[in-house]
Amino acid sequence: QSALTQPASVSGSPGQSITISCAGSGGDVGVYGYVSWYQQHPGKAPKVIIYDVNDRPSGVSPRFSGSKSGDTASLTISGLQADDEADYYCCAVIRGSTYVFGTGTRVTVL
Amino acid sequence: QVQLVQSGAEVKNPGASVRLSCKASGHIFAGSYMHWVRQAPGQGLEWMGWINPNTGGTNYAQKFQGRVTMTTDTSITTIYMRLDSLRSDDTALYVCASQPYDFWHMAVWGIGTTVTVSS
Repeated sequence: QSALTQPASVSGSPGQSITISCAGSGGDVGVYGYVSWYQQHPGKAPKVIIYDVNDRPSGVSPRFSGSKSGDTASLTISGLQADDEADYYCCAVIRGSTYVFGTGTRVTVL
Repeated sequence: QVQLVQSGAEVKNPGASVRLSCKASGHIFAGSYMHWVRQAPGQGLEWMGWINPNTGGTNYAQKFQGRVTMTTDTSITTIYMRLDSLRSDDTALYVCASQPYDFWHMAVWGIGTTVTVSS
């Protein structure tokens, strides 16, 4: 169960849109539609911002959106804000109700 | 209110075992699977496994099979995670998180327990 592959860092200016990819292997991401994304600010617990590929929990900004194509999932943050600066992790359900996280992406707002 | 309350920090010698607890509120305990996730200093999230706190059913990550045991005590709505044969690279923050039965994501997270493995 290797970690899903994410870019180590992504940056953007306020107001811009950025996209973070999450690549599986051997169908890890593509098999089921259960991909979630978590935002983690320094010293804080992770917070779910996307689940089931593209659903948002109540209270999460619509600036966050998710998608999936084949064995790669993506998180898009539009209208980038200073508070979006954080670490982001994807998570997929793979064979036999087993979970695997992505390697994590540090988002920097320039 | 705090929905997942975890036990305090632990310091262990290499080769020892550690048992961590996570007390859940009643409604979370009744309707969720409970996961354990760890995060080594400066590193990413690593899934360790889940337990159904009401049936005791478990599913462990392959990496930890044979070394991890997750258990439940329904009388006090608390789950436990025991990790054996500790090594220095087990030094991490261990966090419990709940996954509602009808969903496949971790909705509520604890603040974590720091485990330090050092001689």
